[in-house]
Amino acid sequence: DARVTQTPRHKVTEMGQEVTMRCQPILGHNTVFWYRQTMMQGLELLAYFRNRAPLDDSGMPKDRFSAEMPDATLATLKIQPSEPRDSAVYFCASGLLLAISSYNEQFFGPGTRLTVL
Amino acid sequence: GENVEQHPSTLSVQEGDSAVIKCTYSDSASNYFPWYKQELGKGPQLIIDIRSNVGEKKDQRIAVTLNKTAKHFSLHITETQPEDSAVYFCAASILEGGADGLTFGKGTHLIIQP
Repeated sequence: DARVTQTPRHKVTEMGQEVTMRCQPILGHNTVFWYRQTMMQGLELLAYFRNRAPLDDSGMPKDRFSAEMPDATLATLKIQPSEPRDSAVYFCASGLLLAISSYNEQFFGPGTRLTVL
Repeated sequence: GENVEQHPSTLSVQEGDSAVIKCTYSDSASNYFPWYKQELGKGPQLIIDIRSNVGEKKDQRIAVTLNKTAKHFSLHITETQPEDSAVYFCAASILEGGADGLTFGKGTHLIIQP
């Protein structure tokens, strides 16, 4: 049963600390997304990669957030330094997104719940 | 950019009755409209989607309708069951499958009363 995995599932940290969240996309998927979910803003797109290349990170605070794909099986989202307003659930999603007319779908991971004190 | 509005924020229905959730979008270039179900502590799961060249799509008790002229789409759940209780999100994107990223509505908490 192929699924997106995320680690850690929960993270509590102090303001100012560095936080790294990891995502393993479904094997063979070529696109990885990072979304953030909060009560106030709902689900927001932060960034996404296709074939490991960053395509759009306009939803991400540039000064403290960074997203990378060191290889096809790992995507990371890093916050440095973290702030209380970063507290949220961070979801990774992956998909095999090919030609526009193909059947495409995004599969979400279980999320990382981040609490910054 | 795209803006997706979703109503109602909470919907309570009796088991066996129907539930309807409505969304509007702002970008006429959007072509892909999925609906996700999120259970407590889990990630969103796709339950049905519709593309701009289709007006209606059904899958058992779930149906989605799309009116591109009015820029709105709706989710219909018939014969609701307790396991339908969850938060439902509509979304929109320009590219198939949300290949350019999805813009989500704020969600509807559906409560099925026994």
